[in-house]
Amino acid sequence: EADIYQTPRYLVIGTGKKITLECSQTMGHDKMYWYQQDPGMELHLIHYSYGVNSTEKGDLSSESTVSRIRTEHFPLTLESARPSHTSQYLCASSVQRLAGETQYFGPGTRLLVL
Amino acid sequence: AQKVTQAQTEISVVEKEDVTLDCVYETRDTTYYLFWYKQPPSGELVFLIRRNSFDEQNEISGRYSWNFQKSTSSFNFTITASQVVDSAVYFCALSPSYNTDKLIFGTGTRLQVFP
Repeated sequence: EADIYQTPRYLVIGTGKKITLECSQTMGHDKMYWYQQDPGMELHLIHYSYGVNSTEKGDLSSESTVSRIRTEHFPLTLESARPSHTSQYLCASSVQRLAGETQYFGPGTRLLVL
Repeated sequence: AQKVTQAQTEISVVEKEDVTLDCVYETRDTTYYLFWYKQPPSGELVFLIRRNSFDEQNEISGRYSWNFQKSTSSFNFTITASQVVDSAVYFCALSPSYNTDKLIFGTGTRLQVFP
């Protein structure tokens, strides 16, 4: 139902590099989210946005930053990657309907910081 | 406090067996939403179902069925005649009705279906 794209799908990078994980959706959803997923499978919300120029921090503290200049685009940036940032990052978007709200997820980016 | 518990960390079955994934939740809200997502090895989270707390009807979709019991705060998921393609991690999640974009996930159940 939702078309959400994330690039790159896999990224191996050295410590100290700046990286940007891209997330785009074509559904016109106002709300977008970033989750970090541990190797142990737990999902943690790290950022969300209710629309253009809106960004909020999630439940899990993260050194990453996000921006929302366009409705369809919600990139996540790490200024200086560290091995502790190694994880899978999942982007999602949602829209409120009468029947309720559902988050739809992208394919994820697996990040490995050496 | 809001919480979702998936006590089964990993389940292994042989193809064609039926399997039930348990989900127990805690909430003080009178209205809320419950979800199931599937995460295959490729990594994406695939939405399976959303259930509103005032709708206790069970639901069936092909080989999938969901049993919502408010009295026991459970929202269990059954796969009938499991197939190898069902192998994935399955997440149960809860969102309060006052903040429907806040999803509280369980820790997931890894299902392995062997041929």
